[in-house]
Amino acid sequence: DTEVTQTPKHLVMGMTNKKSLKCEQHMGHRAMYWYKQKAKKPPELMFVYSYEKLSINESVPSRFSPECPNSSLLNLHLHALQPEDSALYLCASSLGRPTSYEQYFGPGTRLTVT
Amino acid sequence: DQQVKQNSPSLSVQEGRISILNCDYTNSMFDYFLWYKKYPAEGPTFLISISSIKDKNEDGRFTVFLNKSAKHLSLHIVPSQPGDSAVYFCAAKYGNNRLAFGKGNQVVVIP
Repeated sequence: DTEVTQTPKHLVMGMTNKKSLKCEQHMGHRAMYWYKQKAKKPPELMFVYSYEKLSINESVPSRFSPECPNSSLLNLHLHALQPEDSALYLCASSLGRPTSYEQYFGPGTRLTVT
Repeated sequence: DQQVKQNSPSLSVQEGRISILNCDYTNSMFDYFLWYKKYPAEGPTFLISISSIKDKNEDGRFTVFLNKSAKHLSLHIVPSQPGDSAVYFCAAKYGNNRLAFGKGNQVVVIP
């Protein structure tokens, strides 16, 4: 089973709203990632959690707040977003071991900020 | 500065023939390379990978070739099938958990 699930599939939010994106995997992976992808562009790394600790923050604005409640779950809390934050938000996971680097992606959440 | 480059953004190929996708990189510290396939409105799907200590890896219809001296890798799909129509991303690992992605190649397989 190489499945990463994400909810919701689509989200429309106003600039004053607070919302959360959720990601779940049950593959025993210990590294989890948030990416942002704009149309016709490659995914851009936002955050990495390794063994439930934040290990990489790619200088993401504080209106995006990640959370890793346990090794299977990853959240991305959104607050006071801008229209330019509209994108496909992808969650991924990997084993987190030095010899295994494949990242498995979820289907994404299509976010529209109005 | 884009460290992973995929030129020829689109490729059309007849069903049953070979699809060849190319990827060039500039950072000699990359030590692991991956190919992903992406359908519209879905997340990327991992296809195949190769370590920098190898020059070829094969998995079913997919083969990845790595030429370290040229900093070049390619993905061969044979035979191509209509379900292979998608965008293909080349990615390279650096640091602990970072992947650098190319911009992607659109492949269209004509039945």
